[in-house]
Amino acid sequence: QSALTQPASVSGSPGQSITISCTGTSVGAYNSVSWYQQHPGRAPKLIIYDVVNRPSGVSDRFSGSKSGSTASLTISGLQAEDEADYYCGSYTGIITTLHVFGSGTTVTLL
Amino acid sequence: QVSLVESGGGVGQPGGSLRLSCRASGFTFRTYSMHWVRQTPRQGLEWVAVISNNEKIQHYADSVKGRFTISRDNSINTLYLEMTGLRPEDAAVYFCAKDGHTGGGIIYHFDSWGQGALVTVSS
Repeated sequence: QSALTQPASVSGSPGQSITISCTGTSVGAYNSVSWYQQHPGRAPKLIIYDVVNRPSGVSDRFSGSKSGSTASLTISGLQAEDEADYYCGSYTGIITTLHVFGSGTTVTLL
Repeated sequence: QVSLVESGGGVGQPGGSLRLSCRASGFTFRTYSMHWVRQTPRQGLEWVAVISNNEKIQHYADSVKGRFTISRDNSINTLYLEMTGLRPEDAAVYFCAKDGHTGGGIIYHFDSWGQGALVTVSS
């Protein structure tokens, strides 16, 4: 069972904005939340790190935020290419497992 | 351009061993910590292990501690995962991933990933 909770699915119409939540104790304890996009059959791709930062080359339609123990990924101006699975991840500070991922959220266009 | 290419996946017997390799290019391998992450349809993504750039630090998930060993050879830009005592629940796609810390530390986000190596555990 994942230590980070995400909704199983989120959907939206092209051009709309959607938000994916990621809740867990480690999210509240550290500013080390990252988000990954994964298309079928492909490796995950880092799209947000340290809660709010975007790697070079990632569209500014992706943004991250955090409030308490919940981090959020917002995708604005939803496009067909955004259909994918999205995973959050966080450093835990717990020696038995130093990093955890969320269970993943499937984004679908209506 | 960063490239990570895993190899060594395949079928391992329960209780048996497999070794995965990850050949890196396009960046200064010896200055970055490296991770192994695995994925199954049921369990999703699971962080497995990390090794610091100078090999002095290794950490493991509880699920593999004592059975898996992460190592690296900076002279040939290669990361390894030695898997022993294989269990059915170790069956997964294994990804090597580059840590995002630019100063040789460990920051626990993964800014480049390989394409993955499939490990099956079956007798």
